[in-house]
Amino acid sequence: GQQVMQIPQYQHVQEGEDFTTYCNSSTTLSNIQWYKQRPGGHPVFLIQLVKSGEVKKQKRLTFQFGEAKKNSSLHITATQTTDVGTYFCAANQAGTALIFGKGTTLSVSS
Amino acid sequence: DTAVSQTPKYLVTQMGNDKSIKCEQNLGHDTMYWYKQDSKKFLKIMFSYNNKELIINETVPNRFSPKSPDKAHLNLHINSLELGDSAVYFCASSLDSEAFFGQGTRLTVV
Repeated sequence: GQQVMQIPQYQHVQEGEDFTTYCNSSTTLSNIQWYKQRPGGHPVFLIQLVKSGEVKKQKRLTFQFGEAKKNSSLHITATQTTDVGTYFCAANQAGTALIFGKGTTLSVSS
Repeated sequence: DTAVSQTPKYLVTQMGNDKSIKCEQNLGHDTMYWYKQDSKKFLKIMFSYNNKELIINETVPNRFSPKSPDKAHLNLHINSLELGDSAVYFCASSLDSEAFFGQGTRLTVV
């Protein structure tokens, strides 16, 4: 079945540094979603990208969808301690199942 | 009102027991899911239900059985619990795009 590979698995940064997580698929994706899970919490939807080459911003977060619709990235500018958590990309498999990448766990030290 | 609610939040039980986790959504969504999240944070899809019909059934042991009495409910029943079943189980629902997650059920098998 469809898989989405996500790297890195863990990332530690100093507060104020930037952070990026990457998601790749061997097949063309119809769309890609990003979720954030705070420690002890549940995944919360951040955004969905649909169009080839799409770029969306939410404050310090920038989301990109590759031209070939096979990869995506989430970039956080000037991280804050509130950014701590695990970030997941997810894609819909044929039959509507939502398949998640393995996530990138971000830790931030002040 | 909580959009996706699952109970119980915590479940500690002995090996060999049978247990159920309940999930209800009040969003009117057509699709509901069960995910298992292990200690490494991997979110593995277990089941996906659309309009009460199972559309995706990942290769989970047949000790796990989803039961959907109606579109708003998707319960998870587990027979003969094993130590390896210890994890956090998330219920989720979606309509066309973003998935809404329940708070999770932390299952500990001792």
